Amino acid sequence: QVQLQQSGPGLVKPSQTLSLTCAISGDSVSSNSAAWNWIRQSPSRGLEWLGRTYYRSKWYNDYAVSVKSRITINPDTSKNQFSLLMKSVTPEDTAVYYCARASEGLDDAFDIWGQGTMVTVSS
Amino acid sequence: QSVLTQPPSVSGAPGQRVTISCTGSSSNIGAAYDVHWYQQLPGTAPKLLIYASSNRPSGVPDRFSGSKSGTSASLAITGLQAEDEADYYCQSYDSSLSGSVFGGGTKLTVL
Repeated sequence: QVQLQQSGPGLVKPSQTLSLTCAISGDSVSSNSAAWNWIRQSPSRGLEWLGRTYYRSKWYNDYAVSVKSRITINPDTSKNQFSLLMKSVTPEDTAVYYCARASEGLDDAFDIWGQGTMVTVSS
Repeated sequence: QSVLTQPPSVSGAPGQRVTISCTGSSSNIGAAYDVHWYQQLPGTAPKLLIYASSNRPSGVPDRFSGSKSGTSASLAITGLQAEDEADYYCQSYDSSLSGSVFGGGTKLTVL
């Protein structure tokens, strides 16, 4: 079955760059019927979609307006994974970060989720 | 303030039926974008419960059902069980924000 395995540091200093990776098993980051997303959750902001990458003959990226200037989501076809880079973090970026697959067959619902990574922004 | 509005909490006794509402606007649910529902147990990632307003993924009991009308959607749970105690979230797409949006979540307590 499809699984997503997240990795990355749990502590990031203010103004630095947050970097997380999501390794995919059982599916392909280059799938023509899936999109690969990052979502975060915090008590103050609830669940917040951050962005996605997907392949439809070429690569596309979409980012949430709230973080668009600070984030990059990159696919890595050689390792079948995708990553999140968020620059200039502040304590307000403290949250649990999830990667998730959106499946076209389920009308783009997020059907597979990673285990979550608690990221704390603190000096 | 979430784009989709849910009641913070609902409760019901075992065996009863509860509903959770999700109210949006003309740029999301009212624009005919699909609504999806997720169940989140403490300390775990959300789990897809209902997709495209009223469809259940394989393995989800038929005690869970969804509907949509106008700018709102609802999740109904019948025959409440203790293990249904969790947080529930609705999700859709918003054309003004050009991205997915979530409700603030509803905590279900089984009395």
